[in-house]
Amino acid sequence: DVKVTQSSRYLVKRTGEKVFLECVQDMDHENMFWYRQDPGLGLRLIYFSYDVKMKEKGDIPEGYSVSREKKERFSLILESASTNQTSMYLCASSSTGGAGYNEQFFGPGTRLTVL
Amino acid sequence: KQEVTQIPAALSVPEGENLVLNCSFTDSAIYNLQWFRQDPGKGLTSLLLIQSSQREQTSGRLNASLDKSSGRSTLYIAASQPGDSATYLCAVCAQGGKLIFGQGTELSVKP
Repeated sequence: DVKVTQSSRYLVKRTGEKVFLECVQDMDHENMFWYRQDPGLGLRLIYFSYDVKMKEKGDIPEGYSVSREKKERFSLILESASTNQTSMYLCASSSTGGAGYNEQFFGPGTRLTVL
Repeated sequence: KQEVTQIPAALSVPEGENLVLNCSFTDSAIYNLQWFRQDPGKGLTSLLLIQSSQREQTSGRLNASLDKSSGRSTLYIAASQPGDSATYLCAVCAQGGKLIFGQGTELSVKP
């Protein structure tokens, strides 16, 4: 079974802190994604990555950065956390196949609260 | 810009009923469409993936169809059970492999 794990289920941080959210997948997937989920706004893509050291902006990249130093690990960084970044953060991964893109698998999510 | 809409937003049915969840999208240039289930406070569980060249996929009591030309997909759940209660999300896969999600249908199956 594909497994996507996230470093924390719940996290509480102070405004202005630098926050790291870690995601690891064990299926050698090329593609990794970070989404946030908010009531009324649904899931929105923050950043994604096709390969090691590659990154692409999603729909809402402002206030975030990412790092992918190893194929299995994709980190989301909040440079200076703000209260409007309180949200559920979901990591996902997928492989690329003959038909294009394959099934995307999600981690359990990190509920981040910024005070 | 691709937009994904799910109707209804919420649905309550008695146990044993067959039901259909609807998903529509505005741009037919998709790689695939994926249906997910989400329990409160949890991550997303993938239910079915339909590639753009396919018309339907089945898994147990679930059947998903795709009509790319009309921009529609349906998720059919047969003989619903209380354990099926969850939010169901559809998502279309666009350029770059990124998913664009609908707002979800919150399903409640009453015993």
